[in-house]
Amino acid sequence: AQSVTQLDSQVPVFEEAPVELRCNYSSSVSVYLFWYVQYPNQGLQLLLKYLSGSTLVKGINGFEAEFNKSQTSFHLRKPSVHISDTAEYFCAVSDNFGNEKLTFGTGTRLTIIP
Amino acid sequence: DAGVIQSPRHEVTEMGQEVTLRCKPISGHDYLFWYRQTMMRGLELLIYFNNNVPIDDSGMPEDRFSAKMPNASFSTLKIQPSEPRDSAVYFCASRGQAGSNSPLHFGNGTRLTVT
Repeated sequence: AQSVTQLDSQVPVFEEAPVELRCNYSSSVSVYLFWYVQYPNQGLQLLLKYLSGSTLVKGINGFEAEFNKSQTSFHLRKPSVHISDTAEYFCAVSDNFGNEKLTFGTGTRLTIIP
Repeated sequence: DAGVIQSPRHEVTEMGQEVTLRCKPISGHDYLFWYRQTMMRGLELLIYFNNNVPIDDSGMPEDRFSAKMPNASFSTLKIQPSEPRDSAVYFCASRGQAGSNSPLHFGNGTRLTVT
């Protein structure tokens, strides 16, 4: 079984400042890793995913994440945030052995301060 | 593509009443998932279907919860009887391909309040 830990439940950041949202995972097998974003009163939508290959993954809206196998991390970053990035961000993991289930972290609420 | 459609958006009911949540997946998607989101537990997978057949219902909290998918374009999640601790946002999601490497497409959720 896999698990995901998002240590920061809330992250306030000034507009145009950089941000990093942390995600650590636990698994005994190879994994797929995802970041989903949830805007207020909406469902989740995929931001980016790591399946294999390059450890630096670029997603929508200028976000990127880096897979670090030795540290079992998949942190999300953006060099300059905007008010529109205010949302909740979820890290998720699944194994790559045909398991259909995705395990989500508890989420990080990103608040952008004007 | 209208996306995943859930109804109602909000449901307020009294303890003991039956609640039915509805979901229409994206046309052509073979996988359908029901998730529950709470502050305490985050997003939990309740059950998922493949080609209308329930594959894994190990996340369904108890017998008060049941889910059906009578056809490829419709699924329901029923709670009978409802309890205050069932208050949460319930999401339906669909996926077009086998394999967790394919993205999930979520509906906007149903916010359930049980008083």
